Amino acid sequence: DVKVTQSSRYLVKRTGEKVFLECVQDMDHENMFWYRQDPGLGLRLIYFSYDVKMKEKGDIPEGYSVSREKKERFSLILESASTNQTSMYLCASSFPGTRYGYTFGSGTRLTVV
Amino acid sequence: DQQVKQNSPSLSVQEGRISILNCDYTNSMFDYFLWYKKYPAEGPTFLISISSIKDKNEDGRFTVFLNKSAKHLSLHIVPSQPGDSAVYFCAAGGGSNYKLTFGKGTLLTVNP
Repeated sequence: DVKVTQSSRYLVKRTGEKVFLECVQDMDHENMFWYRQDPGLGLRLIYFSYDVKMKEKGDIPEGYSVSREKKERFSLILESASTNQTSMYLCASSFPGTRYGYTFGSGTRLTVV
Repeated sequence: DQQVKQNSPSLSVQEGRISILNCDYTNSMFDYFLWYKKYPAEGPTFLISISSIKDKNEDGRFTVFLNKSAKHLSLHIVPSQPGDSAVYFCAAGGGSNYKLTFGKGTLLTVNP
């Protein structure tokens, strides 16, 4: 069964902490994505990567960075967590081309206090 | 500029009846459309898709209809079941773009 695995289901961090969210996929997908989901705002793209060491900003990159050192792993970094980054974070991966769709991870519910 | 719109934030239907979820798009370059279903505290899961060369695709209780001239697609669920209660996201892609564009989602509640 193919999978996108996010390291934590629930996470509580303090304001100002540096936070790492990890995502690993076992499908040999080239593309990987980080989204956040908030009520009424749908899925908003933070960053994506179409190859190792390649990254592009999505719609809401401010306050975030990413790292992709290996094809299977895509990390989202909150440089200095703030309460407005409390959200559900979703990682996804896909083959090149949108007709393959995305496979999503189970999500990480991050609460910043 | 919202290229994929789901204008109904929520929909409530009775068990056994039809659920119709709607989605409009503005980008004529989109040629592939997908529906995802999301339960709380879980990631979205793929439900059904349709290519622009078709106007209908069916999978069990789920049917997606595409009206290219109106730039409109709809997801029909018949009969609706309480387990179908979830947020449904419409997504579109195509051309040289390797990103999907998502709508904001519609929360479907199926009442027993």
